[in-house]
Amino acid sequence: TQLLEQSPQFLSIQEGENLTVYCNSSSVFSSLQWYRQEPGEGPVLLVTVVTGGEVKKLKRLTFQFGDARKDSSLHITAAQPGDTGLYLCAGEEVQGAQKLVFGQGTRLTINP
Amino acid sequence: NAGVTQTPKFQVLKTGQSMTLQCAQDMNHNSMYWYRQDPGMGLRLIYYSASEGTTDKGEVPNGYNVSRLNKREFSLRLESAAPSQTSVYFCASSAFVGGGELFFGEGSRLTVL
Repeated sequence: TQLLEQSPQFLSIQEGENLTVYCNSSSVFSSLQWYRQEPGEGPVLLVTVVTGGEVKKLKRLTFQFGDARKDSSLHITAAQPGDTGLYLCAGEEVQGAQKLVFGQGTRLTINP
Repeated sequence: NAGVTQTPKFQVLKTGQSMTLQCAQDMNHNSMYWYRQDPGMGLRLIYYSASEGTTDKGEVPNGYNVSRLNKREFSLRLESAAPSQTSVYFCASSAFVGGGELFFGEGSRLTVL
């Protein structure tokens, strides 16, 4: 099973600060997805990155896929309390059944 | 817009009891999945069904069985519940395996005493 390591697992910062969450693996993935999960709900897709080196922006969130397609990062600029939640990265296997493999998640808290 | 619907949302079982978690999707998706979520472990795949009529083991299948009843419905059964199966269970669907976005239900919180 391919493994995805997310760091940090917990992050608590003040409103207005910037932050970066990392998702790393020794394996290559076809694509990398980022989900956000709120308490009592299922994860919801934020973005999918497919090409090595790809950068996608979603308002104040910037997602990057590593050149070798083994890692990804999520950068949030000027974090707001509404960004609070559990962020999960998920990589699609290159071979086999092409299932998604999830990281452990990063629990982000933005304090007003 | 129902999407993926799971029942029940909460359940408490005693060790050794059995139960079935139900899942239905109304998006005409081919593929359906059952995950469990435990603190610090992310989402781990229990079983999945790539298409109607097929099911395959995921990462943590022991102690579980599944049935793909039709294209819409995918159930997860615990035949003899154990405390280690205390978790939050999520059903998800996608157009097809390797087909991008997963759509999740709201989760079923199971406690085994």
